[in-house]
Parts: sequence; structure tokens; C-alpha cells
Amino acid sequence: GAGVSQSPSNKVTEKGKDVELRCDPISGHTALYWYRQSLGQGLEFLIYFQGNSAPDKSGLPSDRFSAERTGGSVSTLTIQRTQQEDSAVYLCASSPTSGGASDTQYFGPGTRLTVL
Amino acid sequence: GQSLEQPSEVTAVEGAIVQINCTYQTSGFYGLSWYQQHDGGAPTFLSYNALDGLEETGRFSSFLSRSDSYGYLLLQELQMKDSASYFCASSTGANNLFFGTGTRLTVIP
Repeated sequence: GAGVSQSPSNKVTEKGKDVELRCDPISGHTALYWYRQSLGQGLEFLIYFQGNSAPDKSGLPSDRFSAERTGGSVSTLTIQRTQQEDSAVYLCASSPTSGGASDTQYFGPGTRLTVL
Repeated sequence: GQSLEQPSEVTAVEGAIVQINCTYQTSGFYGLSWYQQHDGGAPTFLSYNALDGLEETGRFSSFLSRSDSYGYLLLQELQMKDSASYFCASSTGANNLFFGTGTRLTVIP
């Protein structure tokens, strides 16, 4: 009965390097979301998956950001050529269906990314 | 575009009642959710309003007025553990959730 898990919990990288962040949603949840939260700020929507497809990529801040989901389960968020402004906590959430605000989203603990 | 406005900080006394307001401007609106986030923790769902009126869940209640594009979260019998950030979030019906900037609630003895 595990909740949403994310790995790594912390990632420190050098500017210009690529990073991969992983999210394991709750088993059976069809919807998966990625958000970014900078220190003391609200959550910024990045991308949404329904199954393995991403009907809404509107929040990805640049073409350095990409994400995929395989087997309707695990998702990976990749940031290429990281910049210092990418430093933030990256949160993943899953929900049983895809009802937007009416469908409770269950959040993982996040990955804290620090770009030096 | 989407925008949700909340006060940045609120301080209240243990045992008291506090109301956290949220005004929104969205293109398309399906409902308003509230999430709680403790420092260093993940957001957790508190409540959802699709229709006008008050929804009560224990010590927490949430209110929505669609005509005023306004909602609030009401916390009663405040406890120290209620100190956290509270976010309102709206859905446009697309499968994303837009979050407000959050209200940091500090409960003092």
C-alpha cells in the first residue's frame, strides 16, 4: 500500500549536466503529474500523463525539459543542460482517474534538485 | 491565463478560528481544491468544492462562491500542528491543477 515514491530524494549537480528524476505512482493510478516548487513558492505545473501519453505539456519551461511514462506506471523527468534556475523541489503526484480538481492528487515526497 | 490570489501569511492563536481566502481568475472553472503542506513535506489534499456553499470535514471547512470567484478555507480549534502552508488550486477541466502562491499559517500559543 505504498504511496507515491520519488528518487533520488536529493540531487546536486553541476551546471550543464543532465539529470533524471524518477516517480513511482500509486499502483493503478492512471493520471500522473509533475510540478516544480521553488523555495517559498507555490507549485508550478509542468506536465500531465494519462496512461503513457501526455496530453498536456504546456507547463514545461523549455525544450531542455522532457518526460516520459512507461507501462502506465513509472515516469521519468529529464532536464538537459541544467541551469541554476532549475534548482527547485520537483514533485510528482498521481490520481486514480483524471478529474482535475475533483480527483484527489497524492503527492510524493519530492526530489530536491540543486544546480551549482 | 490562470491566477489565484491568497494572503502570503496569516498568524492565529491556538484554539482560535482562522479563514484563508482565495480569489481566482481562470478561463474555465470546474472547482476549487485546498491542499496543506508542512515544511519539507508533500502537499496533502484537504477538500474540494465544485458547487457553491460550505463543505465541512472535521475542523476544516471550505467555501466556494462561483459568482464572486472566491473561496475560503476555515480552520477551527486551531492546533499547533496546523502550522503549515495552505494552497488553493483550481481546475479548468483540462487535467491540470493550478495552484495559488500559498498562505503560510503560523499558530502561536
